[in-house]
Amino acid sequence: SYELTQPPSVSVSPGQTATILCSGDKMGDKFASWYQQRAGQSPLLVIYQDSKRPSGVPDRFSGSNSGNTATLTISGTQPIDDADYYCQAWDKNTAIFGGGTRLTVL
Amino acid sequence: QVRLKESGPGLVKPSETLSLTCTVSNGSIASYHWSWIRQPPGKGLEWIGNVYYNGDTKYNLSLKSRVTISVDTSKNQLSLNLNSLTAADTAMYFCARQRTVTGWLDSWGQGTLVTVSS
Repeated sequence: SYELTQPPSVSVSPGQTATILCSGDKMGDKFASWYQQRAGQSPLLVIYQDSKRPSGVPDRFSGSNSGNTATLTISGTQPIDDADYYCQAWDKNTAIFGGGTRLTVL
Repeated sequence: QVRLKESGPGLVKPSETLSLTCTVSNGSIASYHWSWIRQPPGKGLEWIGNVYYNGDTKYNLSLKSRVTISVDTSKNQLSLNLNSLTAADTAMYFCARQRTVTGWLDSWGQGTLVTVSS
């Protein structure tokens, strides 16, 4: 079955750039979505179709996808960005989530 | 802004069947796909399956033998039934609106916690 691999944790200082990777076989041939989940809340879509931002999501969030890796980049990271982040793609009509990355802003 | 709200029993016994409902408000259930996703305590997200407003369904193969998802357009609701429950089914259960047949999940409910225990 298809798998998406994310690093369990990433740490970043406020104002710096955070990069979260999501690896899967020929991931670049699929569309990647990214979700932010703050503690005790439901997931929130922050990137879809690799690099598009939903209305209301700050432009410091960006995404890319090529080869075997999708990337979520948060520029000028703020304390409010402290959360879990999940990548997601579809394989054979099944939604696959990565294991999640805990982003710590300190 | 569409709103989704899950409802159902918070506690279910092992071997029994879980029944959850997701009520959609401020928007129509028509013309969209709708997904169920779960998250065990302290763990990641797992897609359970989805339903199109016309009733077509797709399921995660790992749960397919135990899951039924349906839609009631007259009530603007979708439902999840999961049978033969075990402790491993203890999780927060979310419903979400899905954009296109293999698209992104752009609106999520608050989730409902289900505990499987005798």
